[in-house]
Amino acid sequence: RKEVEQDPGPFNVPEGATVAFNCTYSNSASQSFFWYRQDCRKEPKLLMSVYSSGNEDGRFTAQLNRASQYISLLIRDSKLSDSATYLCVVMVTGRRALTFGSGTRLQVQP
Amino acid sequence: IAGITQAPTSQILAAGRRMTLRCTQDMRHNAMYWYRQDLGLGLRLIHYSNTAGTTGKGEVPDGYSVSRANTDDFPLTLASAVPSQTSVYFCASSDSGETGELFFGEGSRLTVL
Repeated sequence: RKEVEQDPGPFNVPEGATVAFNCTYSNSASQSFFWYRQDCRKEPKLLMSVYSSGNEDGRFTAQLNRASQYISLLIRDSKLSDSATYLCVVMVTGRRALTFGSGTRLQVQP
Repeated sequence: IAGITQAPTSQILAAGRRMTLRCTQDMRHNAMYWYRQDLGLGLRLIHYSNTAGTTGKGEVPDGYSVSRANTDDFPLTLASAVPSQTSVYFCASSDSGETGELFFGEGSRLTVL
């Protein structure tokens, strides 16, 4: 079983739609959580960290449910430029490196 | 600011050949990493280095070796390439804090025939 699981998608949504991605993690020693964004044939880049109390950055909202071991990302008012693969990422206590999910692909259509 | 530079960007290699992927960073980050990315499997850690002079094994280290002679360079070597090592390889670095932000190079696309 993968440590970080995501629905690969693709999620095809019209511009202006609200879309949500979920991610589950299996290691209870996971201490920090993040969403990265990866454009086609490009390197991943940090989108936002995920805090226990939930956090928002413009149209993006991230939430963490430690009891159920899942993380979510909500994108409101989708733009064409939001089309990308979104990677769920965790940092496990005692490990320096990050563990990546395989990503959820989003395609926003005009 | 260059950030992380990887070379080559793309390479086709015959099985059995030796290959070194180069990675250089100019951010003075202590930690560096090599990941491979394959369709459906996501990014998997090959090797890492917390600081110059030290290295460690990741999730999929077999068939790969690394060295960290100084802070800036972290080359990845395939001693005898096999077709299953066909992948996109990303080098990354991070600072000493646990902010979770990795800075990635643009990737090296390797095809082993």
